[in-house]
Formats: sequence, C-alpha cells, structure tokens
Amino acid sequence: AQSVTQPDIHITVSEGASLELRCNYSYGATPYLFWYVQSPGQGLQLLLKYFSGDTLVQGIKGFEAEFKRSQSSFNLRKPSVHWSDAAEYFCAVVVTGGGNKLTFGTGTQLKVEL
Amino acid sequence: NAGVMQNPRHLVRRRGQEARLRCSPMKGHSHVYWYRQLPEEGLKFMVYLQKENIIDESGMPKERFSAEFPKEGPSILRIQQVVRGDSAAYFCASSPETGGNTIYFGEGSWLTVV
Repeated sequence: AQSVTQPDIHITVSEGASLELRCNYSYGATPYLFWYVQSPGQGLQLLLKYFSGDTLVQGIKGFEAEFKRSQSSFNLRKPSVHWSDAAEYFCAVVVTGGGNKLTFGTGTQLKVEL
Repeated sequence: NAGVMQNPRHLVRRRGQEARLRCSPMKGHSHVYWYRQLPEEGLKFMVYLQKENIIDESGMPKERFSAEFPKEGPSILRIQQVVRGDSAAYFCASSPETGGNTIYFGEGSWLTVV
C-alpha cells in the first residue's frame, strides 16, 4: 500500500544545533513531495516542495530538503535551529496522476531546548 | 491577498446536532480539499471538489458527512448528528488546478462535540 512514514514521533534538539527530520515514502513512481509545519492550534504552512529537477530544494525559514530516489526519502534539514522552530512537521506526497490528494505522514513533534 | 478562509475557527456542538464548516478558497483556485486531523494523528484526506462536482470522496465517512462546492459561495462540509468521535480539526485546502500545483491550507476549524 502507498504510504508516507515519518519514523520519529518526537525530536528534541538544542537551539543552535542542526536538525534532520526523516521522511520515507512508498510509491511506484516519483511523487510530488512536500513539507508542512503546524504550530499548535494553527493551520499548515508550506515549508518547501519538490516536483522535479534539482534534488536539493530550499524552503522558507532556512529549511532545505533533499530528495533521494534510491532511498525513497525526502528528509528535511536545518543547519541551526531556532526556538521558534518548535512545532509539528508533516511530510506529504501527491502521487503523479492522482489529482492533488495529499497523503500525510503522522508528523514529527519538534521540541527546542534553550 | 486573502488565503484560504475557513469559518468558524472554533465550533462547539452537542451530540446529535449538525455542524457546518465553510471554506472559501484562494482567489483563482477552483479545487477544494477537506482534511481531518484527529487528536494525536496526522491529516487524513476526506474529499476533493471542484465547482459543483465531487471529484473524489474516498476519505469521507459513509454516513452523516457530506460536502459541496456550489457555483457561488464557499465550500461546505456538513456533519449531521455529530458524535464525540467527530471532534477534530477540519482543514480546507485549495489549489488552482491539479498536476503538482501547490496546495494551500486554511487555518482550520476546530470542532468540539460535547
């Protein structure tokens, strides 16, 4: 079955440390890939997206993600985390030819220690 | 430049009442999606609509839930005879068309059934 996996439910990092949030997908074809961030009680904000081309994509707030076809992964990274980055992060995919129906991972809750 | 607008942001209903959630897509967007986020879970696709048409309702519960996107006015997600298990955040999203276009989310409507 098609799925999106975010293996880490909770991650805690110190402010200023680097961050990597993992995302793996299982689809036959290359999907469109997204990372969204959600603060408590808020909606989802798009951080970045990958459709095609350069496999390293830059997003807002200093985030980047790298698509690795061989590993079916689309991990999110940030070199230096800020306390305001504490939130929940969702990886999502759209299967090409499947309309725009997003399939989400279960999310990773990021806590930042000062 | 308004984004996806949802209202109400918070709604409290007693068991057995009806809940109506409204969504106005971004200007120029003709595709609307509804997602549900249950406590401690990720977002699950419910339904995808275009003006006056339901394109994909594979995620909609079989009973009590319905959605519409009329020619004029917002999209409506309607939940009849609500039960406690319907308590969740309901997110609307929109896109200009399919084929890999970015999907933008509203701030969500939090339904609490008491």
